[in-house]
Amino acid sequence: AAGVIQSPRHLIKEKRETATLKCYPIPRHDTVYWYQQGPGQDPQFLISFYEKMQSDKGSIPDRFSAQQFSDYHSELNMSSLELGDSALYFCASSNSRTGGPYGYTFGSGTRLTVV
Amino acid sequence: AQSVTQLGSHVSVSEGALVLLRCNYSSSVPPYLFWYVQYPNQGLQLLLKYTSAATLVKGINGFEAEFKKSETSFHLTKPSAHMSDAAEYFCAVSDRLNDMRFGAGTRLTVKP
Repeated sequence: AAGVIQSPRHLIKEKRETATLKCYPIPRHDTVYWYQQGPGQDPQFLISFYEKMQSDKGSIPDRFSAQQFSDYHSELNMSSLELGDSALYFCASSNSRTGGPYGYTFGSGTRLTVV
Repeated sequence: AQSVTQLGSHVSVSEGALVLLRCNYSSSVPPYLFWYVQYPNQGLQLLLKYTSAATLVKGINGFEAEFKKSETSFHLTKPSAHMSDAAEYFCAVSDRLNDMRFGAGTRLTVKP
């Protein structure tokens, strides 16, 4: 079965550079969530989108932005990268009619290293 | 706002022993509760979920969890640990469609 696809799997950037992370949800999933997991930390909710509109916002820095496109894939744009942004970034998707109470499906994550 | 607290950042058991990972939740409305497992350098895999049906929930790999409203708990158990169970386990809560909140995680070590 198709899963949530994230690209790239690994990304190395220098401080003050920009990065774009992509997430392709499971077909027919209309909601996408982004999480950040620092080393040894629990996943922290960043932002979510439903039907291409931002639906909820967590601890996302102002330097980050995200959007969901007409094909439901989502991109997380990160600017002025800092060393502390080094983390595993997870995307998850769900179907709003069936998925919310039944858990999300997570991608394998993008490991971002800022040097 | 909802939250979960996982008691014990590290749990070590012997192979074949009972696994008990503790999770307490806080939610202003009836919650949806989840346990996820994460293996090194991998994504989060759903173990089981509570969605206000049966209070005893059975998941994959022999794990189960019991929702106890009076104790606001959702502890994860497995009767007999296997070496392959060694991983990080996250309890999570959601009280609406969006915005799942995770606990800090419990690292399970299984000794031979």
